[in-house]
Amino acid sequence: QSALTQPPSASGSPGQSVTISCTGTSSDVGGYNYVSWYQQHPGKAPKLMIYEVNKRPSGVPDRFSGSKSGNTASLTVSGLQAEDEADYYCSSYAGSNNCMFGGGTKLTVL
Amino acid sequence: QLQLQESGPGLVKPSETLSLTCSVSYGSISSNSYYWGWIRQPPGKGLEWTGTIYYSGSKYYNPSLKSRVTISVDTSKNQFSLKLSSVTAADTAVYYCARQRGYHFDYWGQGTLVTVSS
Repeated sequence: QSALTQPPSASGSPGQSVTISCTGTSSDVGGYNYVSWYQQHPGKAPKLMIYEVNKRPSGVPDRFSGSKSGNTASLTVSGLQAEDEADYYCSSYAGSNNCMFGGGTKLTVL
Repeated sequence: QLQLQESGPGLVKPSETLSLTCSVSYGSISSNSYYWGWIRQPPGKGLEWTGTIYYSGSKYYNPSLKSRVTISVDTSKNQFSLKLSSVTAADTAVYYCARQRGYHFDYWGQGTLVTVSS
């Protein structure tokens, strides 16, 4: 199974919105509503930001939102803040109790 | 607040077996609501799901690693473990253990770097 496809980088100025895409196939992203997103700061463990496409865990700001259309899922960060600068990874259920991750996107706040 | 902590050797020789343990605190590994997983991250690269286990012993492995991976659980110690055999330099990574709820990982350990080198 190949990794989900994410753009290597994304950027935006403080206060702006940025959207990161995650493209898979009908066997993973498109086949299930089990897409999750993780934020990872340098040297730290990943942190769950979105699960089941568009649900936010307690404590995650509502500036973070998720969506899906066909085989592509998206994470949108609104009202960008300096602390949002991090790597972001998508993940999807891929059937047969398998999970897969995207290659990651480095988000830069200009 | 649930805590997970990885432990094990930081250096493993090529062709040998990597062994790590994840200790779970402030929560029971025997909860029927959660699975327990291992995810690894080579230096400077992305995340890779390695495998998942349920407290009853049901286990699921990444197909690309399946022939070399074994995950086990010890409910008496509230721990689960990872073994990866016949390691090469490509297995050098930070290894994370995490709690899996459904098909996402909501609590993560801090990670432990395992280097494969002679």
